[in-house]
Amino acid sequence: EPEVTQTPSHQVTQMGQEVILRCVPISNHLYFYWYRQILGQKVEFLVSFYNNEISEKSEIFDDQFSVERPDGSNFTLKIRSTKLEDSAMYFCASRTQGSYEQYFGPGTRLTVT
Amino acid sequence: GEDVEQSLFLSVREGDSSVINCTYTDSSSTYLYWYKQEPGAGLQLLTYIFSNMDMKQDQRLTVLLNKKDKHLSLRIADTQTGDSAIYFCAESPTTSGTYKYIFGTGTRLKVLA
Repeated sequence: EPEVTQTPSHQVTQMGQEVILRCVPISNHLYFYWYRQILGQKVEFLVSFYNNEISEKSEIFDDQFSVERPDGSNFTLKIRSTKLEDSAMYFCASRTQGSYEQYFGPGTRLTVT
Repeated sequence: GEDVEQSLFLSVREGDSSVINCTYTDSSSTYLYWYKQEPGAGLQLLTYIFSNMDMKQDQRLTVLLNKKDKHLSLRIADTQTGDSAIYFCAESPTTSGTYKYIFGTGTRLKVLA
């Protein structure tokens, strides 16, 4: 069964460093999302992406964040200069046209020290 | 506003039924979802209900939807220790255009042997 994959599973970085979180959505999906879950809290929407552009972003998704689909398979989330409060689990999700159901990846745990 | 509320904790004895409640805000959501998250793990879709349905049964899971009160519940019959996890409800408002998910605060279910 096709699934969304994410790498790395755990990333540790120092404050101020740039990180790139990678996702490979399901191959025929066209809509892509990033969500964040700070430890012990709820899952929050960050951004949605379609047709090579951002379709919606939340207040959390400030200028430090960017997303890209550099090729036909990867979907990346970049945090330019990480802060301690960026420590969280980041989930990628994708869905196909005509379906509302999103398929989630296993997440990347980002720890900023 | 976008706010999905759940009670934080629920404790039940093995073999009993569990009922997890959720109130959502956006009546435009076409589908409403229940996800399970085990410790340190990702999001597992348990079930979903279409907004024109009142009830959906899927093996031990029963979802009830009261659109008038914007209330969703998940009943787990014959609860097992393996059901111990955090359960998130999620709505996907069509008004957003991107069908992003808005997750609830999560209910931590503890099943006592």
